[in-house]
Amino acid sequence: AQSVTQLDSQVPVFEEAPVELRCNYSSSVSVYLFWYVQYPNQGLQLLLKYLSGSTLVESINGFEAEFNKSQTSFHLRKPSVHISDTAEYFCAVSPINTGGFKTIFGAGTRLFVKA
Amino acid sequence: KAGVTQTPRYLIKTRGQQVTLSCSPISGHRSVSWYQQTPGQGLQFLFEYFSETQRNKGNFPGRFSGRQFSNSRSEMNVSTLELGDSALYLCASSDGLARGDYGYTFGSGTRLTVV
Repeated sequence: AQSVTQLDSQVPVFEEAPVELRCNYSSSVSVYLFWYVQYPNQGLQLLLKYLSGSTLVESINGFEAEFNKSQTSFHLRKPSVHISDTAEYFCAVSPINTGGFKTIFGAGTRLFVKA
Repeated sequence: KAGVTQTPRYLIKTRGQQVTLSCSPISGHRSVSWYQQTPGQGLQFLFEYFSETQRNKGNFPGRFSGRQFSNSRSEMNVSTLELGDSALYLCASSDGLARGDYGYTFGSGTRLTVV
């Protein structure tokens, strides 16, 4: 079975400051790792994903996440946040090749960017 | 390319009634997964359908059921509604193939309120 722990339920930060949203996971099989973002009254959008290869992955809007296998972590970072980054962020894992898709989500971290 | 379409967007039902929600995935996607999102429990996996077959199932009671049609459109049904079924129900579309990247495209959700 898999589980995902997002260590902070809320993260307030000032505009243009750096931010890190923490994610740890547990799994007995290999997994793919994802970050999704949810804006108010909308569904989730895929922000970035780690499938294989370089452990540092980037999104088009300046976020990056690093896969650390030894620490089973996949923290999300951005060096300078904008007001528009205010949203809820979900870390997720999908077990590989176990028959079908079953993505497990963390509880979410609400990022609040203040002016 | 059209996105994932969920209908209706909002529903109000009375305890004991049943409800059917609909999801049309992205054209060409054969996998449809359903999630229940609540403030207390986060995103909980309901089930996944691929080519009209249920491939994965979460830990929900039998009152929650689903099906998928030959055109990949999916419906989920909840019978004998309870107040605790009030939630945002999200549909997620994917190509469903093991050689794919397991990433989801989500619909905007159906917000169900049970009174």
